[in-house]
Amino acid sequence: QVQLVESGGGVVQPGRSLRLSCAASGFTFSSFGMHWVRQAPGKGLEWVTVISYDGSNEYYADSVKGRFTISRDNSKNTLYMQMNSLRDEDTAVYWCAREGGKSLLDYWGRGTLVTVSS
Amino acid sequence: QSALTQPASVSGSPGQSITISCTGTSSDVGGYNYVSWYQQHPGKAPKLMIYNVNNRPSGVSNRFSGSKSGSTASLTISGLQAEDEADYYCSSYTSSSTLVFGGGTKLTVL
Repeated sequence: QVQLVESGGGVVQPGRSLRLSCAASGFTFSSFGMHWVRQAPGKGLEWVTVISYDGSNEYYADSVKGRFTISRDNSKNTLYMQMNSLRDEDTAVYWCAREGGKSLLDYWGRGTLVTVSS
Repeated sequence: QSALTQPASVSGSPGQSITISCTGTSSDVGGYNYVSWYQQHPGKAPKLMIYNVNNRPSGVSNRFSGSKSGSTASLTISGLQAEDEADYYCSSYTSSSTLVFGGGTKLTVL
């Protein structure tokens, strides 16, 4: 069965960096685009970024453009997100999700919490 | 990248039907048939309920249906059940090749 497992979350000071990982299994990882979506405490869902199946295309929300970088290693079935220059407002649960079709997210991980605080 | 507009809350009694609206622009909802709806229970990951405006993934009850008119999409839940109480989010593909979510709607089953 499809499984997505995020890791790498934790508490980090403003201005520092963090790298999230998402280990995928149960499907052909190299055939699917992958997204990161976040949710700040008590708030709604916010789309963060997407990478195409082969890593050739990436798109970002304006709120993270220039600070976050999505990448993937299809040989390791793993998705990454490098988060630099973290801000208080980046505090959220971060999920990775599989793009099962055009912009539809059919499988989600359990999420990893990132807390940006001094 | 403004969020799509959803009502903050809706409510209904068991057995009734409710509809949640999701309003965007011609650059997202109105321009593409790539509207999805997600259900989220507290502390859980979102679950895909509707995709491509009106398609249900395998395993999702046929009590859930979707539609779209112009730049407004809608999710209808018929025969409300207690377990339908959750937050619901719409999303749409955009002309910038990004994804945008609605602000979310809290459904209360009275």
